[in-house]
Amino acid sequence: EAGVTQFPSHSVIEKGQTVTLRCDPISGHDNLYWYRRVMGKEIKFLLHFVKESKQDESGMPNNRFLAERTGGTYSTLKVQPAELEDSGVYFCASSQVIRPDTQYFGPGTRLTVL
Amino acid sequence: AQSVSQHNHHVILSEAASLELGCNYSYGGTVNLFWYVQYPGQHLQLLLKYFSGDPLVKGIKGFEAEFIKSKFSFNLRKPSVQWSDTAEYFCAVVSDRDDKIIFGKGTRLHILP
Repeated sequence: EAGVTQFPSHSVIEKGQTVTLRCDPISGHDNLYWYRRVMGKEIKFLLHFVKESKQDESGMPNNRFLAERTGGTYSTLKVQPAELEDSGVYFCASSQVIRPDTQYFGPGTRLTVL
Repeated sequence: AQSVSQHNHHVILSEAASLELGCNYSYGGTVNLFWYVQYPGQHLQLLLKYFSGDPLVKGIKGFEAEFIKSKFSFNLRKPSVQWSDTAEYFCAVVSDRDDKIIFGKGTRLHILP
């Protein structure tokens, strides 16, 4: 069974540009989460989808971040326009509805904003 | 607000030494507790978890953790570490309020061969 995959693995962009990160959850997992780790800090929750619906987006930093999960399969996280403080590693995780807190993580996307 | 505190940010040990990584959390309600590990170049993976029952839980690769409710602690232990245990370790909680994981800042463990 394939695990959670994320694309790209690394992205380097300039301040003001747009970047879109993609996450493919484990097949059959209706829960999908985004987390972020800024250098030197803890991994922080961004938002949670159940299928295509946003269940909790309380961790989204501001309106420059837009997450979508059309069709309830893969998800994208767009940052527009990117700022220096957006640099970090963005993790995606997925879980089954019956056991939501057993989350399986992807390898992460390392975003660097210059 | 919920939070997780890991006592050590960086630990260096020799092979065969015993390991204990401290973790405390703050939340008044029911929690599920986790330790995750990230080996160099790999993604986060679950080391062990506590949901209920026996407060001493055993995980993969010889790790164990003990939940002490009165101390709000969930310390990770291993009696004899190996070079391959070099990794970053994260303590985490999920409350009964929602599904989001609250992580500690992580502990970087270096094992000297």
